[in-house]
Amino acid sequence: EDQVTQSPEALRLQEGESSSLNCSYTVSGLRGLFWYRQDPGKGPEFLFTLYSAGEEKEKERLKATLTKKESFLHITAPKPEDSATYLCAVRYGGATNKLIFGTGTLLAVQP
Amino acid sequence: DSGVTQTPKHLITATGQRVTLRCSPRSGDLSVYWYQQSLDQGLQFLIQYYNGEERAKGNILERFSAQQFPDLHSELNLSSLELGDSALYFCASSAQGNDYGYTFGSGTRLTVV
Repeated sequence: EDQVTQSPEALRLQEGESSSLNCSYTVSGLRGLFWYRQDPGKGPEFLFTLYSAGEEKEKERLKATLTKKESFLHITAPKPEDSATYLCAVRYGGATNKLIFGTGTLLAVQP
Repeated sequence: DSGVTQTPKHLITATGQRVTLRCSPRSGDLSVYWYQQSLDQGLQFLIQYYNGEERAKGNILERFSAQQFPDLHSELNLSSLELGDSALYFCASSAQGNDYGYTFGSGTRLTVV
């Protein structure tokens, strides 16, 4: 069964304490892995798209990397405003543009 | 503002009732997707429309239906509502083959009492 699994479910960091979030997937024919940020009560907001193993993308304190079976979202020296739920999604196979989402990692950064 | 507009933002209704959620996609996007997000299950894909035609179906209940109109706006109809249907319902839109996946609306929070 095609699956997207994120870990940990929740993560609490001190301001400035770097860490990584994991997204593992078991799909064939990956056509893109997406990272989104979601604030409470709001729609997910696009962060990155990765297409092939070895690819990396950065935006401010965030860096996303991709291997053949998983992706990491590295957060360097986080600030309280980075607190949010981070969602990973994969697009694979077929003509549809459907994305399958993981359940997310709830990140809390304390000052 | 993401460009995807969902109305209403909040909806409170009783069990057994029927409601309609509306979505206007971002200008130029032909695809519309509906997702349900509940506390224990995350974002669950319901259905996709592309330029007025159903393209893909996910875990959508028979009590739920959707359509996309010629002006590309979409409506999600939920009937015979149950307490378990309480959730956030998101609409998203995309241009085929784009690098951003989807652009999401701000959602409709449905509470069934």
